[in-house]
Amino acid sequence: QKEVEQNSGPLSVPEGAIASLNCTYSDRGSQSFFWYRQYSGKSPELIMSIYSNGDKEDGRFTAQLNKASQYVSLLIRDSQPSDSATYLCAVLFGSSNTGKLIFGQGTTLQVKP
Amino acid sequence: AAGVIQSPRHLIKEKRETATLKCYPIPRHDTVYWYQQGPGQDPQFLISFYEKMQSDKGSIPDRFSAQQFSDYHSELNMSSLELGDSALYFCASSLGGLNQPQHFGDGTRLSIL
Repeated sequence: QKEVEQNSGPLSVPEGAIASLNCTYSDRGSQSFFWYRQYSGKSPELIMSIYSNGDKEDGRFTAQLNKASQYVSLLIRDSQPSDSATYLCAVLFGSSNTGKLIFGQGTTLQVKP
Repeated sequence: AAGVIQSPRHLIKEKRETATLKCYPIPRHDTVYWYQQGPGQDPQFLISFYEKMQSDKGSIPDRFSAQQFSDYHSELNMSSLELGDSALYFCASSLGGLNQPQHFGDGTRLSIL
């Protein structure tokens, strides 16, 4: 079992709809969670970070964290074709001054005009 | 805003050759991470440095070595290259301290012939 799990998709939504991406993780002690967007052949781009239970909103993006259920999600409101990409859930593992990111396999999102 | 700079962007090598990848972190970032992403895979953590000292080590082959220099830039040295080393190599940087988000460079695409 991977330490971070995502549904690889593809997840297809119409333009203007809400896209919901989900992620589960295995280490109950994890404290830091990130969502990255990656276009094909490009680098991961940080779009959200979340550290506390609950919701965190930034523009059209909302990250949700439930540590008891070991579950992280990303909602994209008013989805646009330009949102079509692979979304990587990443969990920070580490206990010193740095930590390594463990990624899920990514969910491919397709937003259809 | 300044981002993580990686060079070269593309590199073609033959089996058993050596390669050196360079990474210049975001100004004031003292922590550097290296990740390898194979085709269709999620990024895999290789190694990290904090304040010029190795901080964490992941699935990095013994043929690879890395260091962080006094100006905080980092180099990944790869020897006895194999076909399976063909991948995207990303460098990320962050401020020191746990929970800091990592920002990725554009990557180096390494192709082994």
